[in-house]
Amino acid sequence: GAVVSQHPSRVICKSGTSVKIECRSLDFQATTMFWYRQFPKKSLMLMATSNEGSKATYEQGVEKDKFLINHASLTLSTLTVTSAHPEDSSFYICSVNQLAGGYEQYFGPGTRLTVT
Amino acid sequence: QKEVEQNSGPLSVPEGAIASLNCTYSDRGSQSFFWYRQYSGKSPELIMSIYSNGDKEDGRFTAQLNKASQYVSLLIRDSQPSDSATYLCAVKSIGFSGGYNKLIFGAGTRLAVHP
Repeated sequence: GAVVSQHPSRVICKSGTSVKIECRSLDFQATTMFWYRQFPKKSLMLMATSNEGSKATYEQGVEKDKFLINHASLTLSTLTVTSAHPEDSSFYICSVNQLAGGYEQYFGPGTRLTVT
Repeated sequence: QKEVEQNSGPLSVPEGAIASLNCTYSDRGSQSFFWYRQYSGKSPELIMSIYSNGDKEDGRFTAQLNKASQYVSLLIRDSQPSDSATYLCAVKSIGFSGGYNKLIFGAGTRLAVHP
């Protein structure tokens, strides 16, 4: 399967600051990447679909001005949480879709964000 | 009605037994089905994909799909304590996404394998 990395793996920031999370597809070019959020003991919630060279597609209820997504290259998508608040503390996970073998999605290791 | 439903568990099985995990979905147009394993504090790991009716085996894992009943299951043979995790069922259909490969996840079933 696809190899996906995320950086940082863990970040603590103060309320009101912005945090950028990087997602990299290491072994193939991904025109589409996905960003998920997961709260403790809850299932994955798709936040947005990141499209290389165009605007991201956000899910209903996700604030696009708060969660900025940039997919500037075929191997890198970034998620910036702007003006973070404690309620944004969560596990953020990206995934890539490898069409060659079907529609399997492969996840990065995730980023644990804590806003104090 | 939830789009993808799973029993939250926990499902407790003894070591060496068969664990059976079930998932139902609401959209008859669903075409692709996946099982992910998620250990606590980690991201999901794809363990099985299935696209046509019937069984698909990979090692100790067997995925079963019945599109008429809108039902997909995962069997784990010879369960080990290391199999203890949350298992997520995911479904993709054109009806959900309108064009791109969005997956719909169930809430997951927590499996506990005890020695």
